[in-house]
Amino acid sequence: GAGVSQSPRYKVTKRGQDVALRCDPISGHVSLYWYRQALGQGPEFLTYFNYEAQQDKSGLPNDRFSAERPEGSISTLTIQRTEQRDSAMYRCASSYAKGGDEQFFGPGTRLTVL
Amino acid sequence: TQLLEQSPQFLSIQEGENLTVYCNSSSVFSSLQWYRQEPGEGPVLLVTVVTGGEVKKLKRLTFQFGDARKDSSLHITAAQPGDTGLYLCASVSGGSNYKLTFGKGTLLTVNP
Repeated sequence: GAGVSQSPRYKVTKRGQDVALRCDPISGHVSLYWYRQALGQGPEFLTYFNYEAQQDKSGLPNDRFSAERPEGSISTLTIQRTEQRDSAMYRCASSYAKGGDEQFFGPGTRLTVL
Repeated sequence: TQLLEQSPQFLSIQEGENLTVYCNSSSVFSSLQWYRQEPGEGPVLLVTVVTGGEVKKLKRLTFQFGDARKDSSLHITAAQPGDTGLYLCASVSGGSNYKLTFGKGTLLTVNP
């Protein structure tokens, strides 16, 4: 079946605008993760869901960042009042079981804030 | 948060050469994973090591976990252009081992 998909693949926005990034995990995967990856760096953990429950949001940088997974499948990462420092690759991953299982990463959304 | 240092940061070699990249931490890993990330793609898991002193082989790739579980290495024999990519190590933590903390990676280029 299909892997993790993310949309849009590229997003350019102006400072101060809100953006919503979408993640479609692999069908049947229980856990979903959001990461942020700056150029030349490894991914940085943002948040983690089991089914629809947000288990850990300790990596979200500030209260402008939020994530939801209302039906335990598709997830949306929302950034309000974007700032230039938010520019990065945002990656989603999913795993079959609750934590501890191999995470499959999506292709990412490249966000550029002008 | 556990900090991981990877070295070298960049490595450019010719096809057929051998290479080793390293991942180190000042604290003990509960377990450690190695990933390869190709341009425009997400990271793909290569291996998980858990036991100190453990050695795992994946074709031409050999992964070693230090006895004290504070360091790991990845050795590639007879590198090929298809090995080109960003090699990342990640520590695994969290109550159910869900949380990955990545190093900055080693960017490997294998020239034909």
